[in-house]
Amino acid sequence: SAVISQKPSRDICQRGTSLTIQCQVDSQVTMMFWYRQQPGQSLTLIATANQGSEATYESGFVIDKFPISRPNLTFSTLTVSNMSPEDSSIYLCSVARGLNNEQFFGPGTRLTVL
Amino acid sequence: GQQVMQIPQYQHVQEGEDFTTYCNSSTTLSNIQWYKQRPGGHPVFLIQLVKSGEVKKQKRLTFQFGEAKKNSSLHITATQTTDVGTYFCAGPQRRGGKLIFGQGTELSVKP
Repeated sequence: SAVISQKPSRDICQRGTSLTIQCQVDSQVTMMFWYRQQPGQSLTLIATANQGSEATYESGFVIDKFPISRPNLTFSTLTVSNMSPEDSSIYLCSVARGLNNEQFFGPGTRLTVL
Repeated sequence: GQQVMQIPQYQHVQEGEDFTTYCNSSTTLSNIQWYKQRPGGHPVFLIQLVKSGEVKKQKRLTFQFGEAKKNSSLHITATQTTDVGTYFCAGPQRRGGKLIFGQGTELSVKP
């Protein structure tokens, strides 16, 4: 398993501002993942963060809107930029461990944009 | 593109009744994983199935992987209120290995 912490756990933000979410893992991992989960919905992968290289974004997500940092093997940040109410969601980071890459999730950041 | 579909979307049962959720992939999967998300919580890994026709049990939970490795099911016997939550299946993409999650089945249990 993995111990993953996220900060902040929740926030309420104004439209047009940006929020940076931090994810800390208890041990070194090659890849970290950022997901979005809108209320009552499934998990949608935003991007994969690799240490030492640019993040890989999924279709529909762009670096200008969701810049990601990965300064070392235990830490990553996701910024939600120029927020609008449509960005209200839970943002989760995760890591893959084990023979077949089962994923372990952080507790999530619940974001509300007014 | 590759899709993972789950049914039903919601299931309401009386405590003690059984529950089953079904997962179907548009492509053959190398493995399938199941996660449980309690209300207000984050997804927690339950189990992984790898072999064709595999069946695994965890107490009252029985997981199956189809012979063609394109479908899977999770069956809970005699549900309890602690079983409440959303159950997701997930399979790896054919290229890249990233997980694709099903839509989830939300289970509610009446005591």
